[in-house]
Amino acid sequence: AQRVTQPEKLLSVFKGAPVELKCNYSYSGSPELFWYVQYSRQRLQLLLRHISRESIKGFTADLNKGETSFHLKKPFAQEEDSAMYYCALSGRAGGTSYGKLTFGQGTILTVHP
Amino acid sequence: GAVVSQHPSRVICKSGTSVKIECRSLDFQATTMFWYRQFPKKSLMLMATSNEGSKATYEQGVEKDKFLINHASLTLSTLTVTSAHPEDSSFYICSAREFPNHSNQPQHFGDGTRLSIL
Repeated sequence: AQRVTQPEKLLSVFKGAPVELKCNYSYSGSPELFWYVQYSRQRLQLLLRHISRESIKGFTADLNKGETSFHLKKPFAQEEDSAMYYCALSGRAGGTSYGKLTFGQGTILTVHP
Repeated sequence: GAVVSQHPSRVICKSGTSVKIECRSLDFQATTMFWYRQFPKKSLMLMATSNEGSKATYEQGVEKDKFLINHASLTLSTLTVTSAHPEDSSFYICSAREFPNHSNQPQHFGDGTRLSIL
């Protein structure tokens, strides 16, 4: 079974402060981890995935297999980062993702001016 | 970028009626589409995986006869909630994965459908 845990439902920071959204997962095989973001009144969209190892909008996330974590970080939060963030996991085999996503509960990030 | 269109965005109907929700990939082909359900202030829960030209794969606890899924083409999957009851009221979201699947393509999500059963 696969499980994704986002311990914080709400996270508030001030503009310019660092932000870290926590995500822990449970999966017996080789996982693929994603962060999705949903801005107000917009659809869910992919923010980043661990296999890409890229930084999107200043956000980064490193897969830590030892701690089974995939925390999302940004050194200087901006007001426009305020949104709902979902961590998601997909199982993999032979380098191919199964496609099925298991989502965490989501974290609402609010960045105050 | 890849766009997924979901229709209708909102539907209100009487208990006992059937409701069809469409999910279309507008500018790409999708052999696999996914249907999720989201309860208020809860996460997205995968209901089923829709495969073009074959039967959908349902998650445990999801009634196949209640939630009929058809994926007749590479750009369209439909979810029909049959004989809907108030407890079926929810937010339904579809996503589509670009073909070819083996390239680890990400999922693209629709705007969702707010279903309210009176």
